[in-house]
Amino acid sequence: DSGVTQTPKHLITATGQRVTLRCSPRSGDLSVYWYQQSLDQGLQFLIQYYNGEERAKGNILERFSAQQFPDLHSELNLSSLELGDSALYFCASSQGGADTEAFFGQGTRLTVV
Amino acid sequence: AQSVAQPEDQVNVAEGNPLTVKCTYSVSGNPYLFWYVQYPNRGLQFLLKYITGDNLVKGSYGFEAEFNKSQTSFHLKKPSALVSDSALYFCAVRRSGGYQKVTFGTGTKLQVIP
Repeated sequence: DSGVTQTPKHLITATGQRVTLRCSPRSGDLSVYWYQQSLDQGLQFLIQYYNGEERAKGNILERFSAQQFPDLHSELNLSSLELGDSALYFCASSQGGADTEAFFGQGTRLTVV
Repeated sequence: AQSVAQPEDQVNVAEGNPLTVKCTYSVSGNPYLFWYVQYPNRGLQFLLKYITGDNLVKGSYGFEAEFNKSQTSFHLKKPSALVSDSALYFCAVRRSGGYQKVTFGTGTKLQVIP
């Protein structure tokens, strides 16, 4: 158990809908990362937050947004969903330094139908 | 821009034999390098990292990796493979300093044959 909790584990929704994925980081970790894993694109970094502030941005679509709350949990919002958004979404946390490793949650499997 | 290449989609090795999973990287400045392992239906687990110092890094489950600056490589190795090592392995790179994104390779599936 990595200590990172993601909910829900599975999500099935229709195209055009909006969903929210939730992540609770390991106790003491200030950084939260979001990744998308799909068969055709591999593991893609989406965004990183550190202590509530956005720190780095990757290949995150404009339809997607995220935030980190004062209690350090994070949410990833996906809107106007398309079939191609179906993927595993991982949250990871770390202490925050560039040299620190990340601890991954078990992921949320999103299926858009 | 930074990048990571894992040239082999799959590596097959017999149980008890040494294994190598290859990784090369491209980054401006000094790299921080990581190896992660992913078992089916699970998140990634950290194995080891190179930050600075000794080029040979030892990690979890008997794995080690060698940082080679001239060849920009960070190959993952294990002297004797176990069937339980069968999984998906990811190499990742991050530029040192500041808040830099992490770039992952495409992953290498390791199959250890009994």
